[in-house]
Amino acid sequence: GENVEQHPSTLSVQEGDSAVIKCTYSDSASNYFPWYKQELGKRPQLIIDIRSNVGEKKDQRIAVTLNKTAKHFSLHITETQPEDSAVYFCAASRAKLVFGTGTRLLVSP
Amino acid sequence: NAGVTQTPKFRILKIGQSMTLQCTQDMNHNYMYWYRQDPGMGLKLIYYSVGAGITDKGEVPNGYNVSRSTTEDFPLRLELAAPSQTSVYFCASSRTSGNKETQYFGPGTRLLVL
Repeated sequence: GENVEQHPSTLSVQEGDSAVIKCTYSDSASNYFPWYKQELGKRPQLIIDIRSNVGEKKDQRIAVTLNKTAKHFSLHITETQPEDSAVYFCAASRAKLVFGTGTRLLVSP
Repeated sequence: NAGVTQTPKFRILKIGQSMTLQCTQDMNHNYMYWYRQDPGMGLKLIYYSVGAGITDKGEVPNGYNVSRSTTEDFPLRLELAAPSQTSVYFCASSRTSGNKETQYFGPGTRLLVL
């Protein structure tokens, strides 16, 4: 089955810096790659997703890139703000979502 | 729309007790899912359903049962609770399968088994 690895497990940045979180997946048939943000004690919420027929997608300060050949995808957050502090999960899916173990992002003022 | 709702928010169980976690969605979604999230970990799929009357096992189904008698409701049953089932349980729903449609999560149920 699918296996998703996510790095780093924790990431500390200064406000205004960029943050990058990377994920690799094992099933070459996976074709949908969402990213979820989970604030402390809250539910996961979708922030951006990408499908396998697209290499990059942007939404304001966040972007996701996908390299199907290498089977990895990344989340890029620019101009980070303290409210970006949360745990971020990547996931990969052919039919069912398989989640990475999460990255705790801390943005210091 | 209320979206996906779950009850209870928090529950303490003794080893060997049973309980049902409730999940309801009002978005007329066909697909529903149950995940567990252990501390510091990602989400593991327990069971899922593609429509009323149809359920299937996910990655970690042992110790759990589900039913789907209506489109709206997808309860998760724990039989003979064990400390290993201490976790946060999230229900989710989507209009179609996970690779074509966003999954919307409920607020979660925090379960402690002592």
